[in-house]
Amino acid sequence: EIVLTQSPATLSLSPGDRATLSCRASQSVGSHLIWYQQKLGQAPRLLIDDASNRATGIPDRFSGSGSGTDFTLTISSLEPEDFAVYYCQQRTSWPLTFGGGTKVE
Amino acid sequence: EVQLLESGGNLVQPGGSLRLSCAASGFTFSNYPMSWVRQAPGKGLDWVSTISGNDDRVFYADSVKGRFTISRDNSKNTLYVEMNSLRADDTAVYYCARRTISWGGFDIWGQGTMVTVSS
Repeated sequence: EIVLTQSPATLSLSPGDRATLSCRASQSVGSHLIWYQQKLGQAPRLLIDDASNRATGIPDRFSGSGSGTDFTLTISSLEPEDFAVYYCQQRTSWPLTFGGGTKVE
Repeated sequence: EVQLLESGGNLVQPGGSLRLSCAASGFTFSNYPMSWVRQAPGKGLDWVSTISGNDDRVFYADSVKGRFTISRDNSKNTLYVEMNSLRADDTAVYYCARRTISWGGFDIWGQGTMVTVSS
């Protein structure tokens, strides 16, 4: 099973700040790394597919990068609605696994 | 509008059974792999199971293998999961989620249905 480790667990920032979230895989996942945003009481929302491809309707302040075992989600300038929990997920192999999440507060 | 609507969540005793349903609308259901993902209270996301569009491939997390059965009825645009031998650690919100047609990320999610396993 591929283990995904997200850091930091919590990121304390202000609107307008740049947010940098990390996801590290226990073995290579190539580019098959996905990012989601989840707000309190809501279902997750797909942000980034295959490491760097923004999903439909996702603002360009969200960007993803990385390959192999190290990945980054960057929010260039935080908007009030961006404060949420962010999860990474790998689709390289079964079982599909998620990271533990990073809370941006 | 593309939509997924789960139902069937309930309070059930340990060892009991439950069947969840997910009604899909707004897209060609049979073209897409579908999955169940759960989230225990205050915890992260946990993949449960995936079924291919034409029902010829199914995949399960080890934690549910042998206890849960995923299925779909493409004529009714509905996804199911039959859950048996339920345990306290199965307590979670269960989300129905569509994978992209290329087996990528989960691009559409339902609102979730709560399953509580407790005596």
